[in-house]
Amino acid sequence: AQSVAQPEDQVNVAEGNPLTVKCTYSVSGNPYLFWYVQYPNRGLQFLLKYITGDNLVKGSYGFEAEFNKSQTSFHLKKPSALVSDSALYFCAVRDPSGGSYIPTFGRGTSLIVHP
Amino acid sequence: DSGVTQTPKHLITATGQRVTLRCSPRSGDLSVYWYQQSLDQGLQFLIQYYNGEERAKGNILERFSAQQFPDLHSELNLSSLELGDSALYFCASSVASGGIYEQYFGPGTRLTVT
Repeated sequence: AQSVAQPEDQVNVAEGNPLTVKCTYSVSGNPYLFWYVQYPNRGLQFLLKYITGDNLVKGSYGFEAEFNKSQTSFHLKKPSALVSDSALYFCAVRDPSGGSYIPTFGRGTSLIVHP
Repeated sequence: DSGVTQTPKHLITATGQRVTLRCSPRSGDLSVYWYQQSLDQGLQFLIQYYNGEERAKGNILERFSAQQFPDLHSELNLSSLELGDSALYFCASSVASGGIYEQYFGPGTRLTVT
């Protein structure tokens, strides 16, 4: 079975500081991992994904994420936060050995960037 | 703009009623997914269609049904509505059905059952 956890309901960071939104997963094989962002009153928007290859994945809007197999983590990072990055962030995982094509989404982490 | 459209944006209806939510996927995408988002349950997968056929089923109630038409648009039918069905309903699409493909989400339909 596949599962994903976002241990923080909310992350607060000052503008200009680095940000990290945490994600850990559980799968039986090698995971496919995704990050999405949801701005208020909008649908989820794809940021980046890890399927295979380089553990550091770069995505939209200056975000990146690092796949760490030993720690079963896929944390989302950005070197310098913007107030406009304030949104709800979702991590999702799919276990390709699990027989389902549908990823499991985390409950989301609210990122608040203070001016 | 993701290229996925959903109508209507808002829907207010009474308990016991039936509603239909409509989704048009991005041009070229064959797979459509429906999700329900609520504060207490988070984002719940309901059902997936691929090129007109049901491909995967999630936590979809028997009162709910969906279909994908030959032009690839999809409809989600919710019947015998209850207060607890009030939520945001999202449609998403992807180019194919394999799990490596990211999903593109529509703006959602906010359903309020009174």
